Amino acid sequence: AQSVAQPEDQVNVAEGNPLTVKCTYSVSGNPYLFWYVQYPNRGLQFLLKYITGDNLVKGSYGFEAEFNKSQTSFHLKKPSALVSDSALYFCAVRGSSGGSYIPTFGRGTSLIVHP
Amino acid sequence: GAVVSQHPSWVICKSGTSVKIECRSLDFQATTMFWYRQFPKQSLMLMATSNEGSKATYEQGVEKDKFLINHASLTLSTLTVTSAHPEDSSFYICSASPAAANMNTGELFFGEGSRLTVL
Repeated sequence: AQSVAQPEDQVNVAEGNPLTVKCTYSVSGNPYLFWYVQYPNRGLQFLLKYITGDNLVKGSYGFEAEFNKSQTSFHLKKPSALVSDSALYFCAVRGSSGGSYIPTFGRGTSLIVHP
Repeated sequence: GAVVSQHPSWVICKSGTSVKIECRSLDFQATTMFWYRQFPKQSLMLMATSNEGSKATYEQGVEKDKFLINHASLTLSTLTVTSAHPEDSSFYICSASPAAANMNTGELFFGEGSRLTVL
């Protein structure tokens, strides 16, 4: 069975500072990893994904994520946080084998960027 | 990116009535759609996988007679909450991915969600 762990319920960061939202995963076969953002009372929006290739993936709104196979991690990062980045962030994984096309989501991390 | 439309955004109903929520893929065909339920400040709970032209696959603990899912076409799936009760009040979100040779690599596109309040 595949799983995703987001160890932090909430991350607080000052505007202008770098931010990291952590994600680790467990999956059979090669992992396909995704980050989504959710604003209040809205659906989720796709930010970025890792399928293959470079371990550093760049996505929307200046976000990037680094795939680390040995640590089974896919942390989301941004060099300089904005107040408007405050939202709920979800990491998700899909596997490459069997019937694992159904994505598994982490429990979400609330990012709060203080002015 | 692809667009998924969900309607209605907000619905308030009386206990005992049924409510239908529609999920449409506007610019792509989706053989599979996913229905999620989200409680306040919590993660997404997958309710069921909706398959075009066949029965939905429900997750363990989800009552299929309570949450009726119909995926009649490649662009429309509906979730009907039957005989709704206050405990069914929640945020329901659908998602879909454009059909591709390898479904696993595709990101999901989400509807805007439907807030159901049962009085």
